[in-house]
Amino acid sequence: QKEVEQNSGPLSVPEGAIASLNCTYSDRVSQSFFWYRQYSGKSPELIMSIYSNGDKEDGRFTAQLNKASQYVSLLIRDSQPSDSATYLCAVKAGNQFYFGTGTSLTVIP
Amino acid sequence: EPEVTQTPSHQVTQMGQEVILRCVPISNHLYFYWYRQILGQKVEFLVSFYNNEISEKSEIFDDQFSVERPDGSNFTLKIRSTKLEDSAMYFCASLAGANTGELFFGEGSRLTVL
Repeated sequence: QKEVEQNSGPLSVPEGAIASLNCTYSDRVSQSFFWYRQYSGKSPELIMSIYSNGDKEDGRFTAQLNKASQYVSLLIRDSQPSDSATYLCAVKAGNQFYFGTGTSLTVIP
Repeated sequence: EPEVTQTPSHQVTQMGQEVILRCVPISNHLYFYWYRQILGQKVEFLVSFYNNEISEKSEIFDDQFSVERPDGSNFTLKIRSTKLEDSAMYFCASLAGANTGELFFGEGSRLTVL
């Protein structure tokens, strides 16, 4: 059973600050990593994917992957109240996706 | 933009009744999934489906559950005799192919078992 661990939070940051979300995974075979955003009562929405070590930036979002440490993170710059949601880390191994429990983020205006 | 559609959005049923949740995956996607999320808990894998058969299933997916792709578009999850603990949000998702990464979710079907 592949484990994906996230700090469940809740994480609170003031508007305009950087939010940092972390995820570790147990399986070194995993090759693809994703961050999903889930608003309460809604379905997960893909916001970032990363496949190789290093950083990947998309607008205010930066994903960081370190396969040696089995660690993936998401930075949200200039956090907005609309970023308040639960962020799910997902790991793909073969054709299966394994999800963490999610980190709840609240951005305080 | 193509999307995964699910019906119904919410279903209330009595314990012991059969429920069918329906999904239309994105056209030309090859892999289909059902996930479950009990309120406040993690997204849990139920089953994956490829080439008209189950490719993998979790321990949750016991004999009470079944999946079908009755035609070229619909993908259904059937729960034969619902239990109170089946109350959850059920998400259908689809994946274009083995070498693609993006899993697309439908809006979910909320099942309430009384």
